[in-house]
Amino acid sequence: SYELTQPPSVSVSPGQTARITCSGDVLPKQYAYWYQKKAGQAPVLVIYKDTERPSGIPERFSGSSSGTTVTLTVSGVQAEDEADYYCLTADSSGSLYVFGSGTKVTVL
Amino acid sequence: QVQLVQSGAEVRNPGASVKVSCKTSGFTFSKYYMHWVRQAPGQGLEWIGWINPYIGTTNYSQTFQGRVTMTRDTSVSEVYMELTSLRSDDTAFYYCARLLTPDYYFDSWGQGTLVTVSS
Repeated sequence: SYELTQPPSVSVSPGQTARITCSGDVLPKQYAYWYQKKAGQAPVLVIYKDTERPSGIPERFSGSSSGTTVTLTVSGVQAEDEADYYCLTADSSGSLYVFGSGTKVTVL
Repeated sequence: QVQLVQSGAEVRNPGASVKVSCKTSGFTFSKYYMHWVRQAPGQGLEWIGWINPYIGTTNYSQTFQGRVTMTRDTSVSEVYMELTSLRSDDTAFYYCARLLTPDYYFDSWGQGTLVTVSS
């Protein structure tokens, strides 16, 4: 099995930049996906294939990748961005998936 | 439009089984892998497994191997997730999700089904 490691929490003031990392040995070989999860709601995709942003997701969400770490960046954070964020990837065969441990983003 | 509608909340005793359904509409059922994800109270998202509705093949997280079975009924465009030997730590919201290809992300989700395991 494999794991994806995220920081438990990130705090940021409105208008500032939040960066959330996700580390795992499989990441140089497989794409990462980022989901936003708010209480009582289904997850929402904010970044796919490391850097792509789905239609309807604000431009302040961006993704990057370097080696075994992928990063979700939220620029100009707004109060509505307060949520839990999870990275997701698949194993080298593309058959088994795993979520990262999740990062709670708090907007101060 | 794409819709995934899950069955209602369930309460089970420890050791029992539960079967959650996910009724799909708005797309060709056989063309999209369906996944199951859960989130226990105060915990993170956990991937459970997937089913290929076209031929019924499945793949499960090692965490759930031996306790989970995913099936489908093509006549009613539904997928099912059965979890056996329930424990209190199986208490969670269970979600079905459609995998969109070729970009391989979950683009549609069910509303979630709360399964409570308690004596």
